[in-house]
Amino acid sequence: AQTVTQSQPEMSVQEAETVTLSCTYDTSENNYYLFWYKQPPSRQMILVIRQEAYKQQNATENRFSVNFQKAAKSFSLKISDSQLGDTAMYFCAFMRNDMRFGAGTRLTVKP
Amino acid sequence: GAVVSQHPSWVICKSGTSVKIECRSLDFQATTMFWYRQFPKQSLMLMATSNEGSKATYEQGVEKDKFLINHASLTLSTLTVTSAHPEDSSFYICSASSGVRSGNTIYFGEGSWLTVV
Repeated sequence: AQTVTQSQPEMSVQEAETVTLSCTYDTSENNYYLFWYKQPPSRQMILVIRQEAYKQQNATENRFSVNFQKAAKSFSLKISDSQLGDTAMYFCAFMRNDMRFGAGTRLTVKP
Repeated sequence: GAVVSQHPSWVICKSGTSVKIECRSLDFQATTMFWYRQFPKQSLMLMATSNEGSKATYEQGVEKDKFLINHASLTLSTLTVTSAHPEDSSFYICSASSGVRSGNTIYFGEGSWLTVV
């Protein structure tokens, strides 16, 4: 089964600064999808960004962008111009036949 | 956009009783639904994958006789926790897709807090 690893349990960043969250995964598949989800205290899962493995171009969504390194099986999330509302748990997820999550990174944006 | 509704949001039940949680896709046909369990300050752990009209595929370590999953229609999947015990208390969340292998969007329900007393 595929595994997803997030090695940063907690991170903090100053408001308006940039932060990068790391994610690596292990798979023998060639076609799959990768996601970053945000989970605020409400526990609602909010899709931040997705990446198709067959696309070489890194996905971007406004202040959020990824660095997808397929050969290295790495999928990091960069948040630019961090805002207080970005404070939440962030989960990296791998999807092929099902969706599996990393352990999560608790991000705190400080004023 | 598409929405997945999960009900109830909160439920308290007595030890030994059974409780059912529903997951509905409101405006799309969910061929596949997933059930997760999330302990405090932990990640979402996949419990089972449910395909419409088929028996659910359970993850290793998940008791299929205790966590009954039914996906009888393209818009509804249910998770029944049978003979609940306090250790079953947790946050349960479902997600649904109209096509996982084709990369169709996964939509999450709002989650259900189960407390067994």
